[in-house]
Amino acid sequence: EDQVTQSPEALRLQEGESSSLNCSYTVSGLRGLFWYRQDPGKGPEFLFTLYSAGEEKEKERLKATLTKKESFLHITAPKPEDSATYLCAVHPNQAGTALIFGKGTTLSVSS
Amino acid sequence: DARVTQTPRHKVTEMGQEVTMRCQPILGHNTVFWYRQTMMQGLELLAYFRNRAPLDDSGMPKDRFSAEMPDATLATLKIQPSEPRDSAVYFCASGLALFAEQYFGPGTRLTVT
Repeated sequence: EDQVTQSPEALRLQEGESSSLNCSYTVSGLRGLFWYRQDPGKGPEFLFTLYSAGEEKEKERLKATLTKKESFLHITAPKPEDSATYLCAVHPNQAGTALIFGKGTTLSVSS
Repeated sequence: DARVTQTPRHKVTEMGQEVTMRCQPILGHNTVFWYRQTMMQGLELLAYFRNRAPLDDSGMPKDRFSAEMPDATLATLKIQPSEPRDSAVYFCASGLALFAEQYFGPGTRLTVT
């Protein structure tokens, strides 16, 4: 069964304290892996798409990486405004299938 | 700027009542998705459409939920009759293709008492 697991469920950081969020997946072929950010009371906001192992994408303090079994979202020197829930989703390489979302990691950054 | 819109933003209703949620996808996006989000289950896919045709609605309770796209600018999700366990935030998302990034609306927070 296709599955996406994110860890940890919650992460508290001090401002400037770098860390990583993990997304491990089990799918029968990967077409793409997506990261989204969700703020309270809002819909998820697209961040990155990764397609193949070894690929990396960066945006401000965020960097997403991909291996054959997992993806990491690295947060460098986070700021309070980075506080949000980060969702990972995978698209299996099967015709007609849609995204499978993980349950997310809730990040809190305090100043 | 282009964004997905959803109405209503909040809905409180009594058990047994019909609920209709509406979504306007981003112009030019041919793929539309309906999700439900709860604390316990996270984000669950209910149904999705491509070029207004339903591709999969296996995530929906068939006896009470229905999803349609009357035209390219409107998607609807109906619950009849509603039950307290349907209380959740319902999101609509659209994209250029089934495997492309999705753009989410602000959601409809449904409370069924």
